[in-house]
Amino acid sequence: DQQVKQNSPSLSVQEGRISILNCDYTNSMFDYFLWYKKYPAEGPTFLISISSIKDKNEDGRFTVFLNKSAKHLSLHIVPSQPGDSAVYFCAARAGANNLFFGTGTRLTVIP
Amino acid sequence: EPEVTQTPSHQVTQMGQEVILRCVPISNHLYFYWYRQILGQKVEFLVSFYNNEISEKSEIFDDQFSVERPDGSNFTLKIRSTKLEDSAMYFCASSLGLGPQHFGDGTRLSIL
Repeated sequence: DQQVKQNSPSLSVQEGRISILNCDYTNSMFDYFLWYKKYPAEGPTFLISISSIKDKNEDGRFTVFLNKSAKHLSLHIVPSQPGDSAVYFCAARAGANNLFFGTGTRLTVIP
Repeated sequence: EPEVTQTPSHQVTQMGQEVILRCVPISNHLYFYWYRQILGQKVEFLVSFYNNEISEKSEIFDDQFSVERPDGSNFTLKIRSTKLEDSAMYFCASSLGLGPQHFGDGTRLSIL
């Protein structure tokens, strides 16, 4: 099952700079996309989502961009803070169905 | 902020034994889910539950698995005869409608 891919297992960014996390998908039926953040020993925490009818959604320091023609979405965090250090998962869904998750990207924000 | 709670946080069971993982979804949510994550692998969907019945299940969710909502607050996952390969983190999630799913902190299941 490779329907959702996160090709970068890790990313390091200086505090205050922008973090950009990327995600690609293959299923053109996906119409709802989410980003989750996960700390060790905790469950995924919902961050932000976007419907396929939009190409951008913003919530504070977090912005998700969706490029349907490229089947690509990205999460921008600006400015990055040390507390943002975690594993970030991209997930996607077709209609009222279950979520498909990527393998995650470990973000480290260096103070 | 309301949250999904899961118990126990860690369950150790002998192979072949039955295990029940418990979840209390967010109180006004209508859709309930179980996912699992084997160490080093992706989070994988097991089953979704709506209106007191299974709405979707994956290939992983075979006859050894069952779910139940025994009362108005709990949502359980039962594995009838556990196998070594059932060792994983099991996450419960709930959603109000077609919005985001909110996850619990998981139960680590270790099969010996």
